[in-house]
Amino acid sequence: ETGVTQSPTHLIKTRGQQVTLRCSSQSGHNTVSWYQQALGQGPQFIFQYYREEENGRGNFPPRFSGLQFPNYSSELNVNALELDDSALYLCASSLEVLSEQFFGPGTRLTVL
Amino acid sequence: DQQVKQNSPSLSVQEGRISILNCDYTNSMFDYFLWYKKYPAEGPTFLISISSIKDKNEDGRFTVFLNKSAKHLSLHIVPSQPGDSAVYFCAASGRRGYQKVTFGTGTKLQVIP
Repeated sequence: ETGVTQSPTHLIKTRGQQVTLRCSSQSGHNTVSWYQQALGQGPQFIFQYYREEENGRGNFPPRFSGLQFPNYSSELNVNALELDDSALYLCASSLEVLSEQFFGPGTRLTVL
Repeated sequence: DQQVKQNSPSLSVQEGRISILNCDYTNSMFDYFLWYKKYPAEGPTFLISISSIKDKNEDGRFTVFLNKSAKHLSLHIVPSQPGDSAVYFCAASGRRGYQKVTFGTGTKLQVIP
């Protein structure tokens, strides 16, 4: 069984651009959560998707949006990038909403 | 507002000795507490958890203690091994589960051989 994978590993964008980050959950996991980890900070919850519907959101503006697909993959989209969006973005999948989360290695986003 | 705080950014311990990592929280609605371990270039991995109805949970070399009145928890690693060197995150959620998990800022543990 493969673990949680994320792509790309690293990404550089400029302010104002849009970015899409991808996550492939473990097979059978119907829940995915996304986190932002700024330098020197702990991961901060962005939102969670359960069976392709948003199921909870942290304190992030609407320009952070997501999608979850039936094939256990998901996307995090960020519009109008700001310098403060530079961070490591982690996705975590779980079998169910209240099950243990398994994290991917993250995507390092740099906004210039 | 940092609801989960790890006030020690780093900790060095000799191999074979006890490592104690501390965590404080401010939100009394937190009901479930977790510790994650993170190696460089990897995502956090779940280590151990404790429900608010307990004050201790043990799993092999790892024990988590919870003091609800003080809003404090600690992770004890005995004996510490070089492979334990990693960043440890304390985290909390509002109910038994993993929704909207709030993480601390992490403590980097170095176990010296």
